[in-house]
Amino acid sequence: DQQVKQNSPSLSVQEGRISILNCDYTNSMFDYFLWYKKYPAEGPTFLISISSIKDKNEDGRFTVFLNKSAKHLSLHIVPSQPGDSAVYFCAASAIGTSSNTGKLIFGQGTTLQVKP
Amino acid sequence: NAGVTQTPKFQVLKTGQSMTLQCAQDMNHEYMSWYRQDPGMGLRLIHYSVGAGITDQGEVPNGYNVSRSTTEDFPLRLLSAAPSQTSVYFCASSRRNHQNTEAFFGQGTRLTVV
Repeated sequence: DQQVKQNSPSLSVQEGRISILNCDYTNSMFDYFLWYKKYPAEGPTFLISISSIKDKNEDGRFTVFLNKSAKHLSLHIVPSQPGDSAVYFCAASAIGTSSNTGKLIFGQGTTLQVKP
Repeated sequence: NAGVTQTPKFQVLKTGQSMTLQCAQDMNHEYMSWYRQDPGMGLRLIHYSVGAGITDQGEVPNGYNVSRSTTEDFPLRLLSAAPSQTSVYFCASSRRNHQNTEAFFGQGTRLTVV
């Protein structure tokens, strides 16, 4: 039972345009969400996060939106650059619970290709 | 600052062989975890630890053992390798902090079981 889902395996956009990556979750206990970026032959690296008390967090070209009622989050990259081509994973955690274990549950990943 | 170090980077095992994947972090993080990455499956949690001497199972623990005798090290043991364990394995560590559960990952171990 996949608690975090990324239903689009791949996305292709033109350089300079917006990239929108989507993620859905089912567990209402999740209260912290993160996006990771992964290049081939490297480990994932943290990109941006959002707490469930917010609905938007922005860091430079990257913005994450959270819609708690829909259990949906999205990552916007504006403008997209060829160096953004990578696999993007969303992840969720229940850090506000009494058993905060630091566990991250990941989605399947979306491969983004930004064409020059 | 090395961060999270995994060894080896590549390994080929025969079915039934055993081996240990090493993971060490130098950030004094309480949390450490092991994930496997398979095509179309994303990153799946195998085992995790909230501190030295404490471990627990993740989503896909069968066939793997872990121990956490020190804060720095979190080895993953395959007792009898099976072809289904062919995967890329990632170790991660993070602080125990309600504002930040950002995990730092190692570069991965690509394991092939033949």
